[in-house]
Amino acid sequence: GDSVTQMEGPVTLSEEAFLTINCTYTATGYPSLFWYVQYPGEGLQLLLKATKADDKGSNKGFEATYRKETTSFHLEKGSVQVSDSAVYFCALSLTSGTYKYIFGTGTRLKVLA
Amino acid sequence: KAGVTQTPRYLIKTRGQQVTLSCSPISGHRSVSWYQQTPGQGLQFLFEYFSETQRNKGNFPGRFSGRQFSNSRSEMNVSTLELGDSALYLCASSARDRGNYGYTFGSGTRLTVV
Repeated sequence: GDSVTQMEGPVTLSEEAFLTINCTYTATGYPSLFWYVQYPGEGLQLLLKATKADDKGSNKGFEATYRKETTSFHLEKGSVQVSDSAVYFCALSLTSGTYKYIFGTGTRLKVLA
Repeated sequence: KAGVTQTPRYLIKTRGQQVTLSCSPISGHRSVSWYQQTPGQGLQFLFEYFSETQRNKGNFPGRFSGRQFSNSRSEMNVSTLELGDSALYLCASSARDRGNYGYTFGSGTRLTVV
């Protein structure tokens, strides 16, 4: 079935380190892909999105490229800050056939000063 | 532009009671979805509404119900509360049909059942 798989957390990095959070998906159609971020005590915020293969989504220094050949949408940031500490969710949206919006399990990122 | 507003933010209820949660989407957004978030199960889809019609329902028992009003505001109701219903309930709205352009989430209602 359709699904999203994220790397297990927590991920602990020092400030200014490079971040990669892996996300792969399984989908029967052509999904749109999203990354959301959730800060403590808050709801999810849309971080970036890509709607077709080879699209790159970017926002606040974060980037992710829609790779259809590897069914992946890995989140990257060149230099993380303490304020990036949060839980990151990968998600897909399918509108062909039965509508689905599926979230991954989330990856907790902790950035140390 | 106001965001998605969920009320109340916190709620404590006793087993067997019922509860109603409210969500006001961003003005002009017609698609509203509800999710339950727990540490063990993560984010689980409850319902999706568009123009007052429930278009999708997740795998939850009939104790969970919802509706959407003509102004796109939505409510969800949980009857005969169980301890396992303790969770953060998130509402999300989208400007476009079926969230293809991403959802905007509210801050959630944290429900504790004792």
